[in-house]
Amino acid sequence: SQQGEEDPQALSIQEGENATMNCSYKTSINNLQWYRQNSGRGLVHLILIRSNEREKHSGRLRVTLDTSKKSSSLLITASRAADTASYFCATVSYSSNTGKLIFGQGTTLQVKP
Amino acid sequence: DVKVTQSSRYLVKRTGEKVFLECVQDMDHENMFWYRQDPGLGLRLIYFSYDVKMKEKGDIPEGYSVSREKKERFSLILESASTNQTSMYLCASGQGAHTYEQYFGPGTRLTVT
Repeated sequence: SQQGEEDPQALSIQEGENATMNCSYKTSINNLQWYRQNSGRGLVHLILIRSNEREKHSGRLRVTLDTSKKSSSLLITASRAADTASYFCATVSYSSNTGKLIFGQGTTLQVKP
Repeated sequence: DVKVTQSSRYLVKRTGEKVFLECVQDMDHENMFWYRQDPGLGLRLIYFSYDVKMKEKGDIPEGYSVSREKKERFSLILESASTNQTSMYLCASGQGAHTYEQYFGPGTRLTVT
């Protein structure tokens, strides 16, 4: 079953603007990850945040995690047309020893040039 | 760089045919996964393997089987393809410990007619 719920389902912005995507989950987690998928391709890992971390940065990406609210957000700053893709959050259960990820349904981001 | 390859990018099969989808990874990862991705349903785990000859059912194993005879190769088998198995199939691999980050192949778009 899908644990992550993402919001919004679709987002359209102009180049240079910031894009924020949110993810909620249901159970205790070991870590939460964000992936990007370009149209018709496989997923690419972007960033991982552990359950004891609150914020993490990687280039133009900023991820926050609020375990009390069971939610995370992904912020892409100064967006570019090349950021157009679908973005998925995925969680690893706290009790997992198999590496099984549970994916959200994704947010489709369109960045207009 | 980690490389995960899938045997075909596009595949068209007839109802009732036996279909083999193959996945190979070159990073000596313990874990390998098969997902299917459908619009509005996100990524759903079919099967995964955490060691050679070891496998576990995911969320939607019905109609599928898997084989992992060598560490680097994980095959998904559709015993008797049906039209409702038309989908994008994604293979992933990951290290067993610590982060559970997954690396994805480019996907196989399977059409069953």
